[in-house]
Amino acid sequence: DVKVTQSSRYLVKRTGEKVFLECVQDMDHENMFWYRQDPGLGLRLIYFSYDVKMKEKGDIPEGYSVSREKKERFSLILESASTNQTSMYLCASSSFDAGYKDTQYFGPGTRLTVL
Amino acid sequence: RKEVEQDPGPFNVPEGATVAFNCTYSNSASQSFFWYRQDCRKEPKLLMSVYSSGNEDGRFTAQLNRASQYISLLIRDSKLSDSATYLCVANILTGGGNKLTFGTGTQLKVEL
Repeated sequence: DVKVTQSSRYLVKRTGEKVFLECVQDMDHENMFWYRQDPGLGLRLIYFSYDVKMKEKGDIPEGYSVSREKKERFSLILESASTNQTSMYLCASSSFDAGYKDTQYFGPGTRLTVL
Repeated sequence: RKEVEQDPGPFNVPEGATVAFNCTYSNSASQSFFWYRQDCRKEPKLLMSVYSSGNEDGRFTAQLNRASQYISLLIRDSKLSDSATYLCVANILTGGGNKLTFGTGTQLKVEL
């Protein structure tokens, strides 16, 4: 079974703080993704990575950065948290070999509140 | 216009009913499609994949109509445990790989 874990289920931070969200997968997947999910807007892609040290911007990268130093770990960084970054953050991974059958497996999510 | 559109619902149906959800997509380059199920405050989990005209798995049937650019999900003999939000997802091949675009979800409530 694919397992994707995220460092925290709930997180409360203050405006201006630097926030690190960690994601680890244990299936040797090449692809990793960070999404945020908001009511009425669905899941929106922030950043993704198809290989170690590689990153690509998604649809809403502003205010975020990422780091992928190891294949199994993909970190999302909020350099200076703002209240509009209060959201549910979901990490996902998938196998490159799957090609167009690119099923993504999700972690349990981190509900971040920025005060 | 959203790339993937779904009726948000909620669909309130009695146990045992048949219910169908529709989803439309705007990018004709979409290669494959998925239905994910998401329970309240939980992560999305894959329900079905659709690569050609359709797919069936037990009580669940997914249909794809490329000419009209819509996907449907049919649930027969609804169970209380089917209550969840169902996300329609389109997979598009980009220069860097595959990109999933999610609809906002359709909420289903199955009642006694």
